[in-house]
Amino acid sequence: EAEVAQSPRYKITEKSQAVAFWCDPISGHATLYWYRQILGQGPELLVQFQDESVVDDSQLPKDRFSAERLKGVDSTLKIQPAELGDSAMYLCASSLNGDPYNEQFFGPGTRLTVL
Amino acid sequence: AQRVTQPEKLLSVFKGAPVELKCNYSYSGSPELFWYVQYSRQRLQLLLRHISRESIKGFTADLNKGETSFHLKKPFAQEEDSAMYYCALPFSGGYNKLIFGAGTRLAVHP
Repeated sequence: EAEVAQSPRYKITEKSQAVAFWCDPISGHATLYWYRQILGQGPELLVQFQDESVVDDSQLPKDRFSAERLKGVDSTLKIQPAELGDSAMYLCASSLNGDPYNEQFFGPGTRLTVL
Repeated sequence: AQRVTQPEKLLSVFKGAPVELKCNYSYSGSPELFWYVQYSRQRLQLLLRHISRESIKGFTADLNKGETSFHLKKPFAQEEDSAMYYCALPFSGGYNKLIFGAGTRLAVHP
């Protein structure tokens, strides 16, 4: 069964360092999402791609976060420099298209700890 | 602003007892709502959606527009129902963006 893949699963870094997360969505899914989930809260959308284009990055802290999906397939989320408050679970999800009734399929997440 | 509220962080019941996980939303139109679930050591996954009017694993959810609620119910809880449950509302301003509640942890004791 096709699944969303993410790596690494865990990342520990020191503040001011750069980190990068990778996501490979389910094949054929045009829409890709990056969520941040802080402990005790629900996932919050950081950025959404439709194919290779960003369609929503209103909650992405653009001074330190960047995301790309160059060929409209896999995606990378980068943080530079990392801050203590960035410690969270970073979830990637994909869906067939931007239809709001479509199910989103989630990856296992990357747990980031910033020391 | 659109918002999803799950007032209980933890719901603890015994096996066989009824379960109701509360979800309230703020939205001016006719919403489509979802329940997502995360079992221990598994990824977040869709449990059910309002539009499908279905029962999944014995769970149902009814949209009450008057009370702006979409509570998740099951008449007889099982130990395998223990998980984190998130209510989610699609954002009306554009693409398929979901607004999640903070989640409720359901613990079913033997």
